[in-house]
Amino acid sequence: ETGVTQTPRHLVMGMTNKKSLKCEQHLGHNAMYWYKQSAKKPLELMFVYSLEERVENNSVPSRFSPECPNSSHLFLHLHTLQPEDSALYLCASSQDRGQGGQETQYFGPGTRLLVL
Amino acid sequence: AQSVAQPEDQVNVAEGNPLTVKCTYSVSGNPYLFWYVQYPNRGLQVLLKYITGDNLVKGSYGFEAEFNKSQTSFHLKKPSALVSDSALYFCAVRTYGNNRLAFGKGNQVVVIP
Repeated sequence: ETGVTQTPRHLVMGMTNKKSLKCEQHLGHNAMYWYKQSAKKPLELMFVYSLEERVENNSVPSRFSPECPNSSHLFLHLHTLQPEDSALYLCASSQDRGQGGQETQYFGPGTRLLVL
Repeated sequence: AQSVAQPEDQVNVAEGNPLTVKCTYSVSGNPYLFWYVQYPNRGLQVLLKYITGDNLVKGSYGFEAEFNKSQTSFHLKKPSALVSDSALYFCAVRTYGNNRLAFGKGNQVVVIP
């Protein structure tokens, strides 16, 4: 449960604010992910970092900006968000062993974001 | 493209009765399949996964799932549901060489005492 931590757990921000979400994994993994969870919709993969390099960007709006300074830390920088960006933002990590997708992703508890 | 369908929004079951949560998938190639559970105010936890081998996979908390290739299904089952099983359940799939995990929209399971 404490393998992947996220801060803050709750965040309320105005549309003109700038804030950052933080994720830290204590599992020795080499890949990290940001997901957006909205009610009654599939989890949306936003960003993937493997070995600290971004390997996938699913056309997420530029108002979301990821940063991965090392294999244990992942940030999501937020600016000029819209109310429809309100959601639960989940971080996950996995160990990419080159086995082509078998690896299990481990999730943090999420940050509940409300944009006013 | 890979995708997952979880046809029901909510599954209600009486405590002690069998629980089934349905999942069908669509992929090109051999699938790697996962079930995750999310309790309130918590992150997703993996319950079980199918990679290869025996089609019946046993996981945590008495859950199991059966991989059916012909029906492209991976239904989650538990013989006797507990109130503590009330949670949100997600099915997910990925394929070899693809680190993108495709999730279904989730099923809310409510176990009635």
